[in-house]
Amino acid sequence: AQSVSQHNHHVILSEAASLELGCNYSYGGTVNLFWYVQYPGQHLQLLLKYFSGDPLVKGIKGFEAEFIKSKFSFNLRKPSVQWSDTAEYFCAVNPGTYKYIFGTGTRLKVLA
Amino acid sequence: DAGITQSPRHKVTETGTPVTLRCHQTENHRYMYWYRQDPGHGLRLIHYSYGVKDTDKGEVSDGYSVSRSKTEDFLLTLESATSSQTSVYFCAISATTGVAKNIQYFGAGTRLSVL
Repeated sequence: AQSVSQHNHHVILSEAASLELGCNYSYGGTVNLFWYVQYPGQHLQLLLKYFSGDPLVKGIKGFEAEFIKSKFSFNLRKPSVQWSDTAEYFCAVNPGTYKYIFGTGTRLKVLA
Repeated sequence: DAGITQSPRHKVTETGTPVTLRCHQTENHRYMYWYRQDPGHGLRLIHYSYGVKDTDKGEVSDGYSVSRSKTEDFLLTLESATSSQTSVYFCAISATTGVAKNIQYFGAGTRLSVL
């Protein structure tokens, strides 16, 4: 079955530290890839997406992600986190149909 | 933010009562979805719709039914609520054409407690 794995369930960082959140998926065909962010008490908001082209994509708030096809990975990065980045982050895969498969999420806490 | 409104935003109900949650969109997107979000499970798809009167089951559809009589409205009904259905419910929409193609946008969520 298709699945998305986010290996880090909880991450705690100090402000200005660098962030990398892992995302791996199991699907052999062409996929669309997404990272969503959910701030406490809010809905999911799109951070960035990859459909095709340059495998390094930039999103809002200084986030970027790199698609590595050979590793079935789409890791999220940010060079320097801020306290306001405290949130839950979800990776999602869309294999081009109606279906979107979400990872279980990574809770990030940034200490001021 | 995409024009998605969920109502109610909060609901407390008793076991065995029927509950209907509403999702309303102003984007005219073809696809609409209902997810539930539970700690440790991420988002799980309950039902989705690919057009008026066209719906199908997701991975956790037992105990839920949906209806879509208009493009803009997608209703989720819990026929007889159980405590295991206590959750946060999110509606999402996606388009099949245009700049928003294949991107899901989410509503603000409905927090449901079944006592």
